[in-house]
Amino acid sequence: DIQMTQSPSSVSASVGDRVIITCRASQNIDFWLAWYQQKPGKAPKLLIYTASSLESGVPTRFSGSGSGTDFTLTISSLQPEDSATYYCQQSSSFAALTFGGGTKVEIK
Amino acid sequence: QLQLQESGPGLVKPSETLSLTCAVSGGSITSSSYYWAWIRQPPGKALEWIGSIYYSGTTYYNLSLKSRVTISMDTSRRQFSLKLTSVTATDTAVYYCASNGVGKRPLDYWGQGTLVTVSS
Repeated sequence: DIQMTQSPSSVSASVGDRVIITCRASQNIDFWLAWYQQKPGKAPKLLIYTASSLESGVPTRFSGSGSGTDFTLTISSLQPEDSATYYCQQSSSFAALTFGGGTKVEIK
Repeated sequence: QLQLQESGPGLVKPSETLSLTCAVSGGSITSSSYYWAWIRQPPGKALEWIGSIYYSGTTYYNLSLKSRVTISMDTSRRQFSLKLTSVTATDTAVYYCASNGVGKRPLDYWGQGTLVTVSS
């Protein structure tokens, strides 16, 4: 299986800060990477797909980049409602989907 | 707009079988456009894909769970199901059903999730 490694595991930042989360795949996944936001007690919500495509309705302060094995999710100006846990997920191996370990974003 | 809803017992005894169903509305479960998936999340931990089923009945399972998992589809009831045998406390989790489009698409529709606790 393709292993997905996220860092950091948690980050605390102030409103307006830029936050960057990284995700590394154990092998080449081209651009088959998605990012999800999960708030407590809720299902994950799709933010980004194919590494850099913004899902409809998602604020433009969220952006994704990368290809191959290294990817990033950037929140350009952190807002209070962005407090959540973020997960990356590869779909290159569609018969064996895998998620990263998650990054918890907290507001200072 | 697809809508997914999980249902099933919230408490299962150790060594027994966990059984959940996911009702699909707003779209056809027999569409060739979607895979139907189960994902779980132990309390305070990360998401884990359990497996997926295609409209043809083809299934794909997480290798770590494959010996205990069966995913099936009931097209007449517009639902798909999960069975996990020989459960232990480590199977305690919120279980989600979800769907993703063919062509390596992301999981873009999710149910609300249901907590299953394994305890005697």
